[in-house]
Amino acid sequence: NAGVTQTPKFRILKIGQSMTLQCTQDMNHNYMYWYRQDPGMGLKLIYYSVGAGITDKGEVPNGYNVSRSTTEDFPLRLELAAPSQTSVYFCASSQGGVQPQHFGDGTRLSIL
Amino acid sequence: AQTVTQSQPEMSVQEAETVTLSCTYDTSESDYYLFWYKQPPSRQMILVIRQEAYKQQNATENRFSVNFQKAAKSFSLKISDSQLGDAAMYFCAYRQKKKSSGDKLTFGTGTRLAVRP
Repeated sequence: NAGVTQTPKFRILKIGQSMTLQCTQDMNHNYMYWYRQDPGMGLKLIYYSVGAGITDKGEVPNGYNVSRSTTEDFPLRLELAAPSQTSVYFCASSQGGVQPQHFGDGTRLSIL
Repeated sequence: AQTVTQSQPEMSVQEAETVTLSCTYDTSESDYYLFWYKQPPSRQMILVIRQEAYKQQNATENRFSVNFQKAAKSFSLKISDSQLGDAAMYFCAYRQKKKSSGDKLTFGTGTRLAVRP
């Protein structure tokens, strides 16, 4: 079982460029999440989804967009990259209830 | 809004000894979940242990156990017989139980644990 798969693992962007971070899960989980982790800090929620076609903002959504057209995929879009978006991004999924969130291995993104 | 506080940025323990990591949280809810996640240098987020707030009994997983004090809103992690592989960043996390919450996690800022050989 692959679990939660994130691509790419590393990426360097120039200011103003755009890109999409991919996330896919094969556990048929309804809930999916995007977090960012700044150096020495905990994870902060960017966006989340409780099912296909349903998304909602988390704590730090500015500068990002998401979509959830299928249960498996939850891509995160950066439209105009800014240095403040340099971070490690984690995607996670959950079955809900008492079950914990399962995390991908993260994407390290640097914006120069 | 819920908040999670980890007041120990760094801790150190001698191999084979016991260490306790602190976590406090703030919530107006009566039923919720609490988690400890481990993040080694590989960056993976690994679930260590979880606790349901309505359960009085403290959760245990092998060498890991918690001291859950609901009235004090405290959720500390005890690691017994510490091993070199326990060296990592440890995050405490809170999750509401209400379905409408979207099962979102609120994380603390983490405690970096070093294990001395």
